[in-house]
Amino acid sequence: EVSLVESGGGLVKPGGSLRLTCTGSGFTFHDHFINWVRQAPGKGPEWVSSISSTSYLLFYADSVRGRFTISRDNSRNSVFLLMTGLRVEDTARYFCVRDAQSLGDRTHWLDPWGQGTMVTVSS
Amino acid sequence: NFVLTQPHSVSESPGRTVIISCTRSSGRIGSDSVHWYQQRPGAAPTSVIYEDSQRPSGVPDRFSGSVDRSSNSASLTISDLRPEDEADYFCQSSTRTNKIVFGGGTKLTVL
Repeated sequence: EVSLVESGGGLVKPGGSLRLTCTGSGFTFHDHFINWVRQAPGKGPEWVSSISSTSYLLFYADSVRGRFTISRDNSRNSVFLLMTGLRVEDTARYFCVRDAQSLGDRTHWLDPWGQGTMVTVSS
Repeated sequence: NFVLTQPHSVSESPGRTVIISCTRSSGRIGSDSVHWYQQRPGAAPTSVIYEDSQRPSGVPDRFSGSVDRSSNSASLTISDLRPEDEADYFCQSSTRTNKIVFGGGTKLTVL
């Protein structure tokens, strides 16, 4: 079964840092783009960042560029999101999501989603 | 970047059909694939339609997707509504610079 599991969330003060980890199983991890998508309580999903299979391509939402850094270690089937300069508005559940397709042109179909890890930024 | 606009909520009775729209604010709706996700309370989103009209394995054929270039919108149609279809539904597309865009979501109530 294809699965993604996130960890590393928690409560942090404004200006603080957190490192989220996403570990995948049940598929050829190094063949797929991996994405981070967040969802604030009661709101819709918001894309945060994406990383290509070899880490050559990195993409960030304008709201996090310069503060968040995405990386991966294919030997450990893991993707990381280092979040610095955290703000109250970064409070959300952070989901790790796989690009469903590994071959051909990217269509950005996201599947599956992990269960997410909650990040709360509050003083 | 463009915006995807969905109705905030829709409601319909069991056994009926509901259509949820997703309108793209700029650029052509057909230029990038549209995907749809279902999210039940307290759960992660799951895919119900990908690439405009394709159904992932395990999704019943009561779910269908389409694109209407004249209105620059995509639609998710759910027929023969069941109580378990009650959920939030989100459309999603992408830009040519690999940014991923979500609609604001539609809360479906099955009366």
